[in-house]
Amino acid sequence: DSGVTQTPKHLITATGQRVTLRCSPRSGDLSVYWYQQSLDQGLQFLIQYYNGEERAKGNILERFSAQQFPDLHSELNLSSLELGDSALYFCASSVMAVRANSPLHFGNGTRLTVT
Amino acid sequence: GESVGLHLPTLSVQEGDNSIINCAYSNSASDYFIWYKQESGKGPQFIIDIRSNMDKRQGQRVTVLLNKTVKHLSLQIAATQPGDSAVYFCAENKGGTASKLTFGTGTRLQVTL
Repeated sequence: DSGVTQTPKHLITATGQRVTLRCSPRSGDLSVYWYQQSLDQGLQFLIQYYNGEERAKGNILERFSAQQFPDLHSELNLSSLELGDSALYFCASSVMAVRANSPLHFGNGTRLTVT
Repeated sequence: GESVGLHLPTLSVQEGDNSIINCAYSNSASDYFIWYKQESGKGPQFIIDIRSNMDKRQGQRVTVLLNKTVKHLSLQIAATQPGDSAVYFCAENKGGTASKLTFGTGTRLQVTL
């Protein structure tokens, strides 16, 4: 068990809808990362937060947004959903002192199916 | 598994044998490397990491080798067990922020009895 908790495990929704994915990082970890994993794209970095502030953006669509709250949990909001958004969404956390390499610890993901 | 692509390279090894999974990374400026294991229905699980100032690091039953000259990383698993069956990813990080962690496409390890 990595200590990273993601809810829900599964989500089925229709095109055009909006969903919110939730992540609780490991105790003591200040950084949260969101990744998307699809069959044809592998693990793609979406966005990173550190102690409540956005730190880096990857291949995140404008329809997607995220935030990290004072208690360090994070939410990923996906709106105007399209069929191609169906994927596994992973949250990861790390201690992440600035400019220090530390491994990311992943949750078990949320499987999103857009119909 | 829930992993990547329809054309994952697959390594099939017999239980008890040693496994070697290879990875070519892309960026000569990468200074930190991680191996992850992903089992079906689960998230990537950290196995071992190595910094670019090292060429070898050992863990429990696992060894990572780094060859910066040819930008190659390998994961060796000793005495492979059925529970080692999974998809293995290497990841590289350029610079000091893990947000630049770039994952490879993965290798599926199948352990036969």
